[in-house]
Amino acid sequence: AQSVTQLGSHVSVSEGALVLLRCNYSSSVPPYLFWYVQYPNQGLQLLLKYTSAATLVKGINGFEAEFKKSETSFHLTKPSAHMSDAAEYFCAVFDTGRRALTFGSGTRLQVQP
Amino acid sequence: IAGITQAPTSQILAAGRRMTLRCTQDMRHNAMYWYRQDLGLGLRLIHYSNTAGTTGKGEVPDGYSVSRANTDDFPLTLASAVPSQTSVYFCASSDSGGRTDTQYFGPGTRLTVL
Repeated sequence: AQSVTQLGSHVSVSEGALVLLRCNYSSSVPPYLFWYVQYPNQGLQLLLKYTSAATLVKGINGFEAEFKKSETSFHLTKPSAHMSDAAEYFCAVFDTGRRALTFGSGTRLQVQP
Repeated sequence: IAGITQAPTSQILAAGRRMTLRCTQDMRHNAMYWYRQDLGLGLRLIHYSNTAGTTGKGEVPDGYSVSRANTDDFPLTLASAVPSQTSVYFCASSDSGGRTDTQYFGPGTRLTVL
């Protein structure tokens, strides 16, 4: 079975500062990894996904993530935070058994002015 | 606008009552999913369907049932609601259920069971 762990349920940064949201995975097969964002009172939308084509994945809104097999990590970064980035972020891995996503517990990002 | 619709938006329900949450997609996706979202637990898969006519159990299926009579609709039924089923429920769909597919999510149904 595949799983992901998100370190830090809450992260607070200043506007303009680097955003780093951590995700580690566990998988006995090559993983397919995703980051989703959820704005208040909305459903989830895809930020980016790793499908083994390239280890550095660029997504929407200036976010990117790097797949590091040696560290079993897929951390999400953005060089400069914007107030509009305040949301909850979920890392997920494709469960090959159920053919569905297994999500982490989420990280709430606060952006301070 | 193409996407997923869910109904109702929110509902307060007495324990023991039966409730069906509706989900409809117009993207002709083969795969559909139901998740529940609880604070600190992220989203957990309840049931899924890889194609019309088939369904499967997810991580937390107890107390829930689904059907997939056609491509577009995937209703979730709580036969006899209990307070622990208080949650936000999200329906999602993807093109084929493949490992690189993007899942598209509906706006959610907030359910409170008293």
